[in-house]
Amino acid sequence: QQPVQSPQAVILREGEDAVINCSSSKALYSVHWYRQKHGEAPVFLMILLKGGEQKGHEKISASFNEKKQQSSLYLTASQLSYSGTYFCGTVYQKVTFGIGTKLQVIP
Amino acid sequence: DTGVSQDPRHKITKRGQNVTFRCDPISEHNRLYWYRQTLGQGPEFLTYFQNEAQLEKSRLLSDRFSAERPKGSFSTLEIQRTEQGDSAMYLCASSLAAGEMGGYTFGSGTRLTVV
Repeated sequence: QQPVQSPQAVILREGEDAVINCSSSKALYSVHWYRQKHGEAPVFLMILLKGGEQKGHEKISASFNEKKQQSSLYLTASQLSYSGTYFCGTVYQKVTFGIGTKLQVIP
Repeated sequence: DTGVSQDPRHKITKRGQNVTFRCDPISEHNRLYWYRQTLGQGPEFLTYFQNEAQLEKSRLLSDRFSAERPKGSFSTLEIQRTEQGDSAMYLCASSLAAGEMGGYTFGSGTRLTVV
């Protein structure tokens, strides 16, 4: 079943922070996060495994709460290069992607 | 490591024709996945292989779609009797391990337009 992402879209000014949430109605064992820029393929950012861990990629970090069946992606001090659509993916043998969150960073 | 390659990049076909796409994964990756993406949506799972074995096929996939990975290396996705609703970006991805342990590397995709 497809995970639910929120918000669906967000506009930030450079330097601002954002949080993207991902929730699932099914038990989560691991969560993937990807970023896709317009006209390009999705690019893997990070994987979160059971244990409530947090990981980081540049100034992007994520958390995973398997009890709440949720994951959140945190973008701090956003840069223009962060613009794109962010997808979370829940994993059971293969990744099932959410609908995406379109992030636009403006000067 | 040349990444995941897909061919062709673009395909325009008439309704009712058959089309075939090719994907060359990263050589040491034993898992290969096909997804379909339409505008404003996330990638939708179609099928995946571990080596040459096709382990899962989406129930949403009609029998007009077939995929092969004959020697556990490259894969082909064929769509028979194409319909306008098949117009989409077809993405191939590969991974070294199961999705529970590692991320996917996607190819640039094949954009199919059915006219």
